[in-house]
Amino acid sequence: EVQLVESGGGPAQPGRSLRLSCTTSGFSFGDSAMSWFRQAPGKGLEWVGFISRGTTDYAASVKGRFTISRNDSSSIAYLQMNSLKTEDTAVYYCARGHTMIFYWGQGTLVTVSS
Amino acid sequence: ETVLTQSPGTLSLSPGERATLSCRASQSVRSNYLAWYQHKPGQAPRLLIYGASTRASGIPDRFIGSGSGTDFTLTISRLEPEDFVIYYCQQYGGSPFTFGPGTRVDVK
Repeated sequence: EVQLVESGGGPAQPGRSLRLSCTTSGFSFGDSAMSWFRQAPGKGLEWVGFISRGTTDYAASVKGRFTISRNDSSSIAYLQMNSLKTEDTAVYYCARGHTMIFYWGQGTLVTVSS
Repeated sequence: ETVLTQSPGTLSLSPGERATLSCRASQSVRSNYLAWYQHKPGQAPRLLIYGASTRASGIPDRFIGSGSGTDFTLTISRLEPEDFVIYYCQQYGGSPFTFGPGTRVDVK
C-alpha cells in the first residue's frame, strides 16, 4: 500500500524557517518524482514544486525561499521553507509524481504568524 | 503561465441530477494534460480524470471528462450524496502546474 505521511508542520514566525518531511512507503521511491502542494485557508490548491532525479522546479511564489530535497535511502522527501511569510500559512501536501497525482499525503498545517 | 478558470463557482443541484463543470485555460494545454480532482475537507485530493478524459483507477463511471485545447468539462452523470464537495482542474502540460479556483457542488 502506498503511504505518504507529512510531518514538521506547526507555528512559525515570519522570517523564520521550517522543514517539512514526507515519509513514504509502498512504492519505489528512488524511481519517483515527488511534489509538494499547499492549500491556504479558504483558498484553492496551489502547486509548490517538485523534485525529479536531479531536477527541481518551483512556483514563482516560493522560488528562492523554498527548497525540495530527498533522501532516497530512507524514502523521505523534504520541503525546506526559509524566510517564511504570513501568506505561506497553509496545509502542505506531499505527493508522488509531478504531473497528474494519484497519491497524496494527508497534509500538515503550517501557520506563519507573529 | 497558464491560467485556469472554472465555472460556475458554485453549483447547486439535487442527488441524482447531472452536474456539468467547466474549466477554461488561458492558452492551449499541451497534449491535453488536464486533470480533475475531487477534494473533501480534511482529506487529500482525489484524482478523478487525467489526460482530459481518462478515468483514474477506481473512479466510478459517472465521472466523465471531456474537452481539448482550452475548454474542458467534467460531467457527473448522476450525483451521489458523497459527490457534494469541491472539484479542481489542473494543467500539467507546462510549468507552473496551475490549478483552477475550484467549483463547489452543493445540495440544492
